[in-house]
Amino acid sequence: GNSVTQMEGPVTLSEEAFLTINCTYTATGYPSLFWYVQYPGEGLQLLLKATKADDKGSNKGFEATYRKETTSFHLEKGSVQVSDSAVYFCALGFSSGSARQLTFGSGTQLTVLP
Amino acid sequence: ETGVTQTPRHLVMGMTNKKSLKCEQHLGHNAMYWYKQSAKKPLELMFVYSLEERVENNSVPSRFSPECPNSSHLFLHLHTLQPEDSALYLCASSQGPGVGNTIYFGEGSWLTVV
Repeated sequence: GNSVTQMEGPVTLSEEAFLTINCTYTATGYPSLFWYVQYPGEGLQLLLKATKADDKGSNKGFEATYRKETTSFHLEKGSVQVSDSAVYFCALGFSSGSARQLTFGSGTQLTVLP
Repeated sequence: ETGVTQTPRHLVMGMTNKKSLKCEQHLGHNAMYWYKQSAKKPLELMFVYSLEERVENNSVPSRFSPECPNSSHLFLHLHTLQPEDSALYLCASSQGPGVGNTIYFGEGSWLTVV
């Protein structure tokens, strides 16, 4: 079956530090890959996505590259801010009939200290 | 404003009550979803509706009853819930199965069963 394994948190960094959150996946076929972010008290927001191997998704200074050879989609940011404190979810998605199916990782809590 | 609106944002109900969660999407999508987010567990897909037909029911107990009267609205009817059903319930929508089509989430309804 499909599964996503994320780096366990919580992760605590100082402002302007470099961030990496590891994500690897197991899937049959070629899924699309996503990072979602959940700020305190809110729902999930799409952060970035990649739909095929070697694609790089980017948004708000965050980047992730779809690596088929290592089945990975690690999230990186060069300089984090306090406002980046949130829970980050890696997910893979397939089409299922006329709907989409997402499989999520367990989430990684990030806290950025001033 | 995410395009997916959920009400109420917070709900406290007794185990013998009947209540409903409502979701409305303003994005013109044709698929809608209910997810459950519990503490320290990955997001769980509960129900999928595509073109107002239920296409997925992931072994969800019958005390949860979904309803999709049209492509813009989705309900989750709740009755005789248990305390372990306390969680964040997230509604989402997407436009068809195309590669890369994104699932958009609402802000969630926090449910507490007492």
